[in-house]
Parts: sequence; structure tokens; C-alpha cells
Amino acid sequence: EIVLTQSPATLSLSPGERATLSCRASQSVRSYLAWYQQKPGQAPRLLIYDASNRATGIPARFSGSGSGTDYTLTISSLEPEDFAVYYCHQRSNWPWTFGQGTKVEIK
Amino acid sequence: QVHLVQSGAEVKKPGASVKVSCKASGYTFTDQYMNWVRQAPGQGLEWMGRINPKSGDTKYAQKFQGRVTMTRDMSISTAYMEVSGLTSDDTAVFYCVTNGATAIWGQGTLVTVSS
Repeated sequence: EIVLTQSPATLSLSPGERATLSCRASQSVRSYLAWYQQKPGQAPRLLIYDASNRATGIPARFSGSGSGTDYTLTISSLEPEDFAVYYCHQRSNWPWTFGQGTKVEIK
Repeated sequence: QVHLVQSGAEVKKPGASVKVSCKASGYTFTDQYMNWVRQAPGQGLEWMGRINPKSGDTKYAQKFQGRVTMTRDMSISTAYMEVSGLTSDDTAVFYCVTNGATAIWGQGTLVTVSS
């Protein structure tokens, strides 16, 4: 099973700042890597699929990059609604696996 | 527009079983695997398994093997996920999720296991 390790566990930032979230896989996931945002009481919301493609309706301030085992989600300028938990997810191999999450909180 | 609508919240006693449904619309139901993901309170996301709606073939995560059964009814574009032998550790929100790059998630079904 592919293990996804996210860092940091918590990111304390102010609105307007840049957020950089990392996801490292235990083996290559061939860019089959997605990023999700989740707020309390809501289902995860797809932000980025296949490493760098923004999902429909996702603002341009969200971008994804990476390949092989190392991936990054960048939020260029945090809006108040961006404070949430973010998960990376790989669909390269069964079983699907998810990172443990990064919480982006207001500083 | 692709849409997954899940059944409502359930409260079950330890040892009981629960069956959650997921009705698909906006696409051809048999064209995509359906996955199920569990999220315990305050915890992360955990893949449970998937079903091929066309063939009925299933693949389960090792952790859930023998306790989870995934089925489907093609006539009503609905997938089902049943968990038996519930314990308090099974208290969680269960999501159905389509396969593919732009996965669609159901709204989630909260299952509470309590005596």
C-alpha cells in the first residue's frame, strides 16, 4: 500500500498569505494525485486532480505541482474561506490511500 | 450533472448491521467503479473498497474484508455498502465516491453505533 505523508500537520497563516502544503508518497504515484479541501460537517471538495489540474469551479489561487513521489498544493493568497483541512489522495494503485491531512488555521 | 445521493443517518446497536445506499444520476452508472470511504469523527479518510457496477466485482481493503459487502442494483443506478458486526469504532461518516480523475462524492451518511 502506498503511504502518503503530508506536511506540515498544521499551518498557521493570516489571510492574504501564501500557503504551501506538501504530500510525499512512499513510491511513485505517476501524477495520479489529487488534493481535497474539507470543512467541518461537509464532504471533501476536489480542488486538484492528476497533480496539477484544477477541478471545475476552483479559483485560480489554488495550484498543484509535482511528479513521482513529491507533490505540492499552493494557495497563492489565502481567503477567509480557505481555512480548512486539506488531504492529498492517490489513485495510482489499489488500495486508494489518503494523507493524514494538513489543517490550515488562522494565525 | 453527476450527482450521488446517499441514504440518511442511522443509529445502530453494537453487533448490528447497517446498509447505506448511494443513488447515482447524471452519468451511466455502469461506466465507473463506485468506491466507499470512511471517516471517523475527527479523523482522516479511509478507503474501504469498490464495486464494478457492470460486473458486480468487488475489491475490499484488507481491514474491512469479511465485514463489508458492496452490492448494486443497476435497474435503479444504486450502490449499497453493508457493514456487519458493528462496534463503537464503526461510528463514522461513510461516503460513496465515483472513480476517475474528477471524482464525485456523495453527501455522506453518518452511522452512530451506541448501546
